[in-house]
Amino acid sequence: EIVLTQSPGTLSLSPGERATLSCRASQSVGSTYLAWYQQKPGQAPRLLIFGASNRATGIPVRFSGSGSGTDFTLTISRLEPEDFAVYYCQQYDSSPGTFGQGTKVEIK
Amino acid sequence: QEQLVESGGGVVRPGRSLRLSCAASGFILSSYGIHWVRQAPGKGLEWVTFIWYDGSNDYYADSVKGRFSISRDNSKNMVYLQMNNLRAEDTAVYYCARGRGWLLDLWGQGTLVTVSS
Repeated sequence: EIVLTQSPGTLSLSPGERATLSCRASQSVGSTYLAWYQQKPGQAPRLLIFGASNRATGIPVRFSGSGSGTDFTLTISRLEPEDFAVYYCQQYDSSPGTFGQGTKVEIK
Repeated sequence: QEQLVESGGGVVRPGRSLRLSCAASGFILSSYGIHWVRQAPGKGLEWVTFIWYDGSNDYYADSVKGRFSISRDNSKNMVYLQMNNLRAEDTAVYYCARGRGWLLDLWGQGTLVTVSS
């Protein structure tokens, strides 16, 4: 089973700032089968990024993903008030599709 | 509008059973696998189980293997999670999610299961 470790655990930033979230895998994730999800308080998770760098339908361009192998990054270019949430990475290359523990992006 | 709606959650005593339902609309359920993912209070996401588009295969997390069972009725656009011998550690919000393989591209709003005496 592939273990995903996200860092930092919490990111304290102001609106308008750039957010950089990291996700590291215990072994290589084949074919960049890495996804990012956003979860706001009291809501279900929502798919943001798939294939490491592809935005899901309706996701703003300020969200971008990059990386390959074992190291992946989610970048939010300029934080909007609605972006303060918890973000999870997930590998879907091998069974079971495992999640990272999450990074909380909070308002500074 | 593509949608998944869970139901059936509630408060149940340890050792008892509960069945959750997931109703799909706005898309062809029989073309997709369906996952259940849970989230304990204040915790992260934990994958629970997955059923293939046609019900021919299913997979379970070790934590629920032998106690939980997933099934589906594509003619009714429904997926079910039968949970037996419930434990306190099964307390969580349970989400059903549409799967493109193991990629979860559409989630329901969740249903809360509380296991308590």
